[in-house]
Amino acid sequence: AQTVTQSQPEMSVQEAETVTLSCTYDTSENNYYLFWYKQPPSRQMILVIRQEAYKQQNATENRFSVNFQKAAKSFSLKISDSQLGDTAMYFCAFMTSVEYGNKLVFGAGTILRVKS
Amino acid sequence: NAGVTQTPKFRILKIGQSMTLQCTQDMNHNYMYWYRQDPGMGLKLIYYSVGAGITDKGEVPNGYNVSRSTTEDFPLRLELAAPSQTSVYFCASSYPGDSGRSYNEQFFGPGTRLTVL
Repeated sequence: AQTVTQSQPEMSVQEAETVTLSCTYDTSENNYYLFWYKQPPSRQMILVIRQEAYKQQNATENRFSVNFQKAAKSFSLKISDSQLGDTAMYFCAFMTSVEYGNKLVFGAGTILRVKS
Repeated sequence: NAGVTQTPKFRILKIGQSMTLQCTQDMNHNYMYWYRQDPGMGLKLIYYSVGAGITDKGEVPNGYNVSRSTTEDFPLRLELAAPSQTSVYFCASSYPGDSGRSYNEQFFGPGTRLTVL
């Protein structure tokens, strides 16, 4: 079974600075997808960024980028120029491309607090 | 499009009561999911469906039932509520991974906060 581990329960960063959230996963599959979801206090789950395992290039979305290390099974999220609105719980999630139903496996989450 | 909608937003149940959490999506997605999120934890899959009439168990199905009679609706039934079912419940939907659309992103509803006392 696939597992996702987020080793940082909480992190804080000053506004405008850069922060990196860690995620590791365990799988025997070769083709899969990795996601970072943001959950603000409103509870809404918002997709931040997505990475396909077959792509060597790291995904980027504006201020958000990932460092995908397939051999190490590591998928960290870097947030640049942190903003107060980035304060949220961040979840790393894994989806195998071969398993029926495209099910997501989530990590336990990292609470990020952006301070002014 | 309203996306994924869930009702109710909040509910308090007594032990042994039953209830149905409603989920509807208007994106014509084949796949639908139910997750639960316990305090300070990630989401765990309860049940999922790949189309009308087809459902399957996820990681934590005990104490729950589902049905999928239409593409749009995927209700979750709690038959005998227990304190261990106190949680926030999320419904989600997506296209199949090989549909060529939206790269199998799951779209989530706003959640239902359930307390069992």
